[in-house]
Amino acid sequence: RKEVEQDPGPFNVPEGATVAFNCTYSNSASQSFFWYRQDCRKEPKLLMSVYSSGNEDGRFTAQLNRASQYISLLIRDSKLSDSATYLCVVSRSGSARQLTFGSGTQLTVLP
Amino acid sequence: EAGVAQSPRYKIIEKRQSVAFWCNPISGHATLYWYQQILGQGPKLLIQFQNNGVVDDSQLPKDRFSAERLKGVDSTLKIQPAKLEDSAVYLCASSLWGAGVPYNEQFFGPGTRLTVL
Repeated sequence: RKEVEQDPGPFNVPEGATVAFNCTYSNSASQSFFWYRQDCRKEPKLLMSVYSSGNEDGRFTAQLNRASQYISLLIRDSKLSDSATYLCVVSRSGSARQLTFGSGTQLTVLP
Repeated sequence: EAGVAQSPRYKIIEKRQSVAFWCNPISGHATLYWYQQILGQGPKLLIQFQNNGVVDDSQLPKDRFSAERLKGVDSTLKIQPAKLEDSAVYLCASSLWGAGVPYNEQFFGPGTRLTVL
């Protein structure tokens, strides 16, 4: 079983739609959680961290459920520029602070 | 502020040949990572350096891959000899280290796209 699992998609949604991505992780020792965004043929970039209390950044909302080992990302009012692959990422505690990436969910926002 | 630099951006070689990639991290970032990203997958960590020491190389195929970071700044990743399955994007990333850093944001370079024929 992969340590981080995501629905690969693709998700094709019209502009203005709300779309949600889900992710599960298998290692209960995971301590930090993130969503990274990767545009086509570009490098991954941090989109937002994910906290147990949930956090929001503009049109983006991330949620974490530690009991279910489940992470979500909600994008409201989708823009064409949101088209990208969204990578779910977890990090274990300890000094190494390594990141484990999911395979990503591909989103295409259509005009 | 300059980002993570990598070269070359693209490389095409034949199987059994050798290839080397170079990375220059963000100034002041003590931690450097090399990842392999195969098409359709997320980045997979190959090796992590803290200054010039190796923190973790458990997923590095040591029979053919090697990496060094001699002066704690630049790093090179080498593959010798290359196999068809090594075709991937090789990403270098760097991050700050130590107390007071709230979370491990890693900053990625543009990557080197390797094709092995």
